[in-house]
Amino acid sequence: GQNIDQPTEMTATEGAIVQINCTYQTSGFNGLFWYQQHAGEAPTFLSYNVLDGLEEKGRFSSFLSRSKGYSYLLLKELQMKDSASYLCAVQTGANNLFFGTGTRLTVIP
Amino acid sequence: GAVVSQHPSRVICKSGTSVKIECRSLDFQATTMFWYRQFPKQSLMLMATSNEGSKATYEQGVEKDKFLINHASLTLSTLTVTSAHPEDSSFYICSATDSGRVPGELFFGEGSRLTVL
Repeated sequence: GQNIDQPTEMTATEGAIVQINCTYQTSGFNGLFWYQQHAGEAPTFLSYNVLDGLEEKGRFSSFLSRSKGYSYLLLKELQMKDSASYLCAVQTGANNLFFGTGTRLTVIP
Repeated sequence: GAVVSQHPSRVICKSGTSVKIECRSLDFQATTMFWYRQFPKQSLMLMATSNEGSKATYEQGVEKDKFLINHASLTLSTLTVTSAHPEDSSFYICSATDSGRVPGELFFGEGSRLTVL
């Protein structure tokens, strides 16, 4: 089976840095994705990791350790608009993506 | 970026009726599209993989006779919820890959919120 774990909720202050962790145990691994989803909307792509290490894209960075089955999403200089759910997803086959339950981030002033 | 359009965005129907949701890739050809379902405060659950010109592949626990998927062209997949019941009320999202971009990156439609009365 597939198991992807993330914290359910997190709260952080505007301007701060927050790290959202994701651990996974899956049958097959072809890459790990992070998506952002605002309430009632479809997810939007944030990052993709297939090799170990850190991928940086502006205020967002994502880290992967395949040996540990672990990833994190790092958000810097938090803005109020960053309040959303962040979904960790593992690609197990050619295209199949399995999603974690998501982490609901609330940014407070 | 690649655009996936989904229609309708909201639909309300009576119990026992059927509802069709369309998913279109507007600026690329999608040989494979995916249908997800999301209940409130839960993550996306893959329902089925839709392959152009062939039968869809359903995930375990998803009734293929209830959720009919047709992928007749490289830009259109449809999901029909047959004999809908209140427990089918959910947010249905389609997605597709554009092979020219990040391998496996999915582009999502806007989602369709189904409410069955």
